[in-house]
Amino acid sequence: DAGVIQSPRHEVTEMGQEVTLRCKPISGHDYLFWYRQTMMRGLELLIYFNNNVPIDDSGMPEDRFSAKMPNASFSTLKIQPSEPRDSAVYFCASSSRAGHLNTEAFFGQGTRLTVV
Amino acid sequence: KQEVTQIPAALSVPEGENLVLNCSFTDSAIYNLQWFRQDPGKGLTSLLLIQSSQREQTSGRLNASLDKSSGRSTLYIAASQPGDSATYLCAATQGGSEKLVFGKGTKLTVNP
Repeated sequence: DAGVIQSPRHEVTEMGQEVTLRCKPISGHDYLFWYRQTMMRGLELLIYFNNNVPIDDSGMPEDRFSAKMPNASFSTLKIQPSEPRDSAVYFCASSSRAGHLNTEAFFGQGTRLTVV
Repeated sequence: KQEVTQIPAALSVPEGENLVLNCSFTDSAIYNLQWFRQDPGKGLTSLLLIQSSQREQTSGRLNASLDKSSGRSTLYIAASQPGDSATYLCAATQGGSEKLVFGKGTKLTVNP
């Protein structure tokens, strides 16, 4: 497996524009996580899905952020409208559950978002 | 709510030294705890996963321990090498969920 694949790797956009980040989890994994990393706040969980269903979106900053998982192999994180304070590295991760045990979480390379 | 703290924030050691990185967490009802490595500008690489029923895990020169009762985990690196230089992150699940909560990391520099 190629691991968790995120696109784009870098995104520069103007304030007010819509931004869509994409993630392909590892095949067979049934958990998908979206994280945001900044120098000030470190890694913060935004939302996670289990079997394509959002389980916990309490970390989504505000209504400008939305995430979808239409199928087991694809997820998007959308920001509309974008603001300079959204500038960060956004990571997608996936994991699976075998019985009552979770496997380790595997992370993508991240999308570095800059909103100017 | 789970909170994860890592001390120290930065550590610089000479090559060959054995070292310990510390992680503490507030909610002991964890499913598991994971240690990651992050190189500058890169994603996170999983190093070790310790399930809640386990006390330690080993991989090569790395050994991670878990003490749920005291809310602590340590990552022991033996015979450190310059290639070990990176930021090491600890993450613990939040009670009753798969949500991983991260510490701010320890930036390790191993000097040749």
